[in-house]
This record gives sequence, structure tokens and C-alpha cells, in this order.
Amino acid sequence: EAGVAQSPRYKIIEKRQSVAFWCNPISGHATLYWYQQILGQGPKLLIQFQNNGVVDDSQLPKDRFSAERLKGVDSTLKIQPAKLEDSAVYLCASSSLDSPTGANVLTFGAGSRLTVL
Amino acid sequence: GNSVTQMEGPVTLSEEAFLTINCTYTATGYPSLFWYVQYPGEGLQLLLKATKADDKGSNKGFEATYRKETTSFHLEKGSVQVSDSAVYFCALRRRAAGNKLTFGGGTRVLVKP
Repeated sequence: EAGVAQSPRYKIIEKRQSVAFWCNPISGHATLYWYQQILGQGPKLLIQFQNNGVVDDSQLPKDRFSAERLKGVDSTLKIQPAKLEDSAVYLCASSSLDSPTGANVLTFGAGSRLTVL
Repeated sequence: GNSVTQMEGPVTLSEEAFLTINCTYTATGYPSLFWYVQYPGEGLQLLLKATKADDKGSNKGFEATYRKETTSFHLEKGSVQVSDSAVYFCALRRRAAGNKLTFGGGTRVLVKP
């Protein structure tokens, strides 16, 4: 099966500019996640969708970050205005609905690397 | 809250050496535990998992046992190869917490020929 697709792979912008990242999850996966991975750290969850509804956005800096998944498939993550500390890799992941055994797995895309100058 | 702590790297080894990466967790209830690997320039890939106490996950010669009494999930491999050079992440997931993964900080492993 095709994996999780993300674009662009790399983006360089100046602070206060805006940027958008796109994610296409594995076909049929109801749950979609956006993670932020700062260099040298583990990924941190920004937002979780189930179908087109938000499950968890408690760690999303809502003054500058926004995300949507309008038709329950593709998703877009936007940053406006960007700050220097937003330099990171933005990872998208998807999973099927939780199974009774709790054993379903998150599959990650290759990520979008953002550099803010 | 839920958290994962893993040993800091980098860990530098010679080929065919034994590898251990320590991972401990803090969580209520009974989380599932995972090891993910990130090869240079690539995304995160699931390496192995365990969903209940005393389960052993294994894949590609790597093993980890879910130890509830010590809240640990240490990763081991008996004989590493240069191709095992990567960053390894320990993670936990609780169904009651929305099924999201909580990651440790990662451990970089460098295997030299």
C-alpha cells in the first residue's frame, strides 16, 4: 500500500512569513496526526484528527498554527507568522481506527523540514 | 502525565557489538510500548511493539520486553551492523489518551566498521 505522502520536503522562509504543509494519509485511515520534531528531540504531537474532527489540539500554538482536514482525508498545517523557534521537521502520521486489542500502528510520512531565518 | 525517558546518545559501537538502549516510562494504566527507528534522511519507522506486560517485541534482530514492575522497555540487539546506524525512539500509547504516541528524546546510534 502507498505510504503517507507529505509536501514540500523542504521549505526555507523568513520569520513572520507564512508556510503551509500538506499531508495525504494512507487510504482508509481515519486518524491523522501532525507532530513537530525539533532537531535533537523526540516528536511532539501538535494535533490529532479522527475523520474531519479534532480529537486533541492541546499542544497546538493556536495563535500562529492552524490545521484542517475538511473532507476527512488530506490535511493542511499552516504557520502564520513563523518564528525562529518553529524551525523543525513536521511529521504527518495516520492510523486505522483503534482495534479492540489496541494494536494498530501509526505510519509516518518522511516529513517536511522547515527552516525559519 | 505520560512521559518516556531514554538514554542520551550518541552511542558509538563497533560492528558485531552488543547494543542496549535503556527506556523507562511513566504512565497510568497499561500503555502499549513501541520502538521507532529513523534512518538518515528518512521518516520514522516502526521497529517493534509490545501491548501488555511481559510481552516481547522483536524485529530485524532487535528485541525489547515490556517490564511493568520496572516500567521499562529496553531495546537490545546481539550483533549490530553498520546499517543499524540511526536514531531510535521509545514511545508509549494509551488508548484512554486518544491513541496518540508520546515519544522519548531519541538515542543516536553510530556503528563503525
